[in-house]
Amino acid sequence: EAAVTQSPRSKVAVTGGKVTLSCHQTNNHDYMYWYRQDTGHGLRLIHYSYVADSTEKGDIPDGYKASRPSQENFSLILELASLSQTAVYFCASSEGDTQYFGPGTRLLVL
Amino acid sequence: QQQVRQSPQSLTVWEGETAILNCSYENSAFDYFPWYQQFPGEGPALLIAIRSVSDKKEDGRFTIFFNKREKKLSLHITDSQPGDSATYFCAASARGTGSKLSFGKGAKLTVSP
Repeated sequence: EAAVTQSPRSKVAVTGGKVTLSCHQTNNHDYMYWYRQDTGHGLRLIHYSYVADSTEKGDIPDGYKASRPSQENFSLILELASLSQTAVYFCASSEGDTQYFGPGTRLLVL
Repeated sequence: QQQVRQSPQSLTVWEGETAILNCSYENSAFDYFPWYQQFPGEGPALLIAIRSVSDKKEDGRFTIFFNKREKKLSLHITDSQPGDSATYFCAASARGTGSKLSFGKGAKLTVSP
């Protein structure tokens, strides 16, 4: 079974600060994804990647950057964190149609 | 624009009853429909999925019924157990989109003993 880990598991950030969320997968999957989850909105795709050193915009990319330095690692970067980016962030990887999710990072921007 | 819609947003059933969660979609290109189950404090996990060539998929107590003409599907959970209490997400993807999923907003199921 795919193993996807995220760090940190929770973080408090200040408005205007830089935040980096990290994701690591151990099953050699090609695709990786970043989602945010907000109450009442379900899961929304921010960025995704299908190969190292390449990233694609998802449905809500504004205010976020992504980095895929290797097949195993995928980072989400908030250059200037804002209050509206308070949410739970999930990373996932996929082989075929099935996506395997990490445990999430709870981000609070104050 | 929400491409996948779910109803109801929340549902409470008694232990042993059948819970029915509904889902509808807009995009005719969608051909793969997974349901994900999420417990508090955890990431979603694939529960069961169906492709548009089928009208029914069964896995134990979980069954998906799919109506391509009406662009609707439903998840039936028979003999509901308290351990089934979770949030259920309907999702959809289209062939050739790199496994990108569009998720519904989720439905919170509570099974009372």
